[in-house]
Amino acid sequence: DQQVKQNSPSLSVQEGRISILNCDYTNSMFDYFLWYKKYPAEGPTFLISISSIKDKNEDGRFTVFLNKSAKHLSLHIVPSQPGDSAVYFCAASVDGSGYALNFGKGTSLLVTP
Amino acid sequence: GAVVSQHPSWVICKSGTSVKIECRSLDFQATTMFWYRQFPKQSLMLMATSNEGSKATYEQGVEKDKFLINHASLTLSTLTVTSAHPEDSSFYICSARSRDGPNQPQHFGDGTRLSIL
Repeated sequence: DQQVKQNSPSLSVQEGRISILNCDYTNSMFDYFLWYKKYPAEGPTFLISISSIKDKNEDGRFTVFLNKSAKHLSLHIVPSQPGDSAVYFCAASVDGSGYALNFGKGTSLLVTP
Repeated sequence: GAVVSQHPSWVICKSGTSVKIECRSLDFQATTMFWYRQFPKQSLMLMATSNEGSKATYEQGVEKDKFLINHASLTLSTLTVTSAHPEDSSFYICSARSRDGPNQPQHFGDGTRLSIL
C-alpha cells in the first residue's frame, strides 16, 4: 500500500522557469517530509526537508510547501536549471529515533535549455 | 556533509552465490542504518533496519535468512544476499542518519547494482 504518492511520473520545464513537483500522502501520522534528488545508478541525495510544525521551508532555489489538511506537499525549484534534471523522490516518516522513510515512486524532471 | 559509502557498486555473479554488500558511514557514527531495494522505475522499498549491536528489524515479506544483516560497529553495516538467484537482481541502497533524534535526514550510499546470472 503506497502511503506516499507522486502522481506525475515526469515533468518537463524550460530553463529559468519554475518547476513544481507534487506529492500526496495518506498516513496522518507522518510528521517529517523530505525531498531527494537521484541520478541514474547513484543513491538519492538529500535536498530539503520540512517538519509538520511548519508549512514552508526554503533553501536557495528550493522551497518545500506543506499543506497538512490536504496531506499534500510540493517542491518548487526557481529558477530551474538543466543540472536539475533528475528523478525527485518525496519521502515521509513518523519520526523518532530510527524510523525509516516511506518513498514515493519519483518524478523525472527534465529541464530543457 | 555526511557521507555514506557503499561497496561494491556493481556485482555480477552466478546463481547460488552469496554476495556481501558493505555500507559505511565515513564521517559520523550511525547506530541505525537502513537497507532499501529499488526495482526499475519503482520506489525505494525498505527491506530492513539495521541496529548496531542487535538484530536487524525486517519489513514484512523480506526473508531474514535470505538477506543477512550485520551491524557490528557504529560505522559499518553489511547485507549478505545468500544463495542469490536471478529474481534477487536489483539495486540495493543503504542509508544512515548522521544524528539521532527527530527530524534528521537520512544520507544514502550510491547503491549496489546486483545482477545474478
